[in-house]
Amino acid sequence: DQQVKQNSPSLSVQEGRISILNCDYTNSMFDYFLWYKKYPAEGPTFLISISSIKDKNEDGRFTVFLNKSAKHLSLHIVPSQPGDSAVYFCAASAVSGGGADGLTFGKGTHLIIQP
Amino acid sequence: DAGVIQSPRHEVTEMGQEVTLRCKPISGHNSLFWYRQTMMRGLELLIYFNNNVPIDDSGMPEDRFSAKMPNASFSTLKIQPSEPRDSAVYFCASRRRGSGNTIYFGEGSWLTVV
Repeated sequence: DQQVKQNSPSLSVQEGRISILNCDYTNSMFDYFLWYKKYPAEGPTFLISISSIKDKNEDGRFTVFLNKSAKHLSLHIVPSQPGDSAVYFCAASAVSGGGADGLTFGKGTHLIIQP
Repeated sequence: DAGVIQSPRHEVTEMGQEVTLRCKPISGHNSLFWYRQTMMRGLELLIYFNNNVPIDDSGMPEDRFSAKMPNASFSTLKIQPSEPRDSAVYFCASRRRGSGNTIYFGEGSWLTVV
């Protein structure tokens, strides 16, 4: 049973437009969320994160939105650039319990930026 | 700064052989994670260590899989005997306690069992 779901295996967006990647989670204990980016033949690299005490976090062209009531988060990339073409993983963890567990990942969304 | 270092990068082995994957975490990081990536299941957490102690190995698929962390700078993931369904990319990752919950991945070990 997947606790973190990315329902779109792939997404194609034109260069310069906004890319919106979505993620849903089922575990109400999750309170820290991250997005990772992965190029072929490389390991995932950290992109941006958000704590459950916030509903938005912005870093340059990347913004993550969190809707706790809907158990939904999204990653917005604007404007999209060719170098953004990669697989994006959503991840979640339960930190506030004092533990430091591993991250639970979604299956990823392959973002393709078209020129 | 050196990132997480994994070896080998690629391994092709015959079914039934023992496979050992190695990982050197980032210096100063005190948590280490082993993940497996497959097309069907995505990124799965196999096991993680805090301060060299295994905390949760519930993701280890079978008794054929074992992991050790003899010291803060080295960990191994062993598969014995290996099977074709073990073919995947195995990632090691590490984290420094107190840095939020961001973990940093190595480049992965690509395992093919024929």
